[in-house]
Amino acid sequence: DAGITQSPRYKITETGRQVTLMCHQTWSHSYMFWYRQDLGHGLRLIYYSAAADITDKGEVSDGYVVSRSKTENFPLTLESATRSQTSVYFCASSESWQWLNEQYFGPGTRLTVT
Amino acid sequence: GENVEQHPSTLSVQEGDSAVIKCTYSDSASNYFPWYKQELGKRPQLIIDIRSNVGEKKDQRIAVTLNKTAKHFSLHITETQPEDSAVYFCAAGQTSGGSNYKLTFGKGTLLTVNP
Repeated sequence: DAGITQSPRYKITETGRQVTLMCHQTWSHSYMFWYRQDLGHGLRLIYYSAAADITDKGEVSDGYVVSRSKTENFPLTLESATRSQTSVYFCASSESWQWLNEQYFGPGTRLTVT
Repeated sequence: GENVEQHPSTLSVQEGDSAVIKCTYSDSASNYFPWYKQELGKRPQLIIDIRSNVGEKKDQRIAVTLNKTAKHFSLHITETQPEDSAVYFCAAGQTSGGSNYKLTFGKGTLLTVNP
């Protein structure tokens, strides 16, 4: 579990501000994912990435931007934060696309937009 | 896209009883079905998974069954213990890689095991 980390763990920001959540993994996993978790909605996929410089939208990607210039990092940016983006954000990584493997989750970032 | 329905949303059992959580999925191309457990304030962790070429899989007190014809799969926990109390998520995905390499999660079941 120590192989995937997120920062910050807690963040309070104001509506309209840009916020970047960081995710770093030390396993050299190919796939990385961003989810948001809200009560009553479970885990919803925001973006995912198959490798460096390859990203795809998930089901709730509006208002978010990602990049993946290095295999180990997958930052998520809220371009102009809104109250509806208050949530717990989880990053995850997985080893291989050839045989779906376990997704390892980071500890999460609790974001509050005021 | 894939849609995963999970029931019940909450489940309360007495210690030692069995618990069953059921999920249905919509995309017949899905062939990988993991279950994750999330304790309060913690990250989700995989507890068991099943692939479409298998109908049932067991790991100690936990078992998962899959009915591909009906597009549903279930988690069975026997001899429940207080430490089984958590939120359980089912998920469905495809092993074809590329842009299809993603999981769709159910909304979760809060399991409470009463001593």
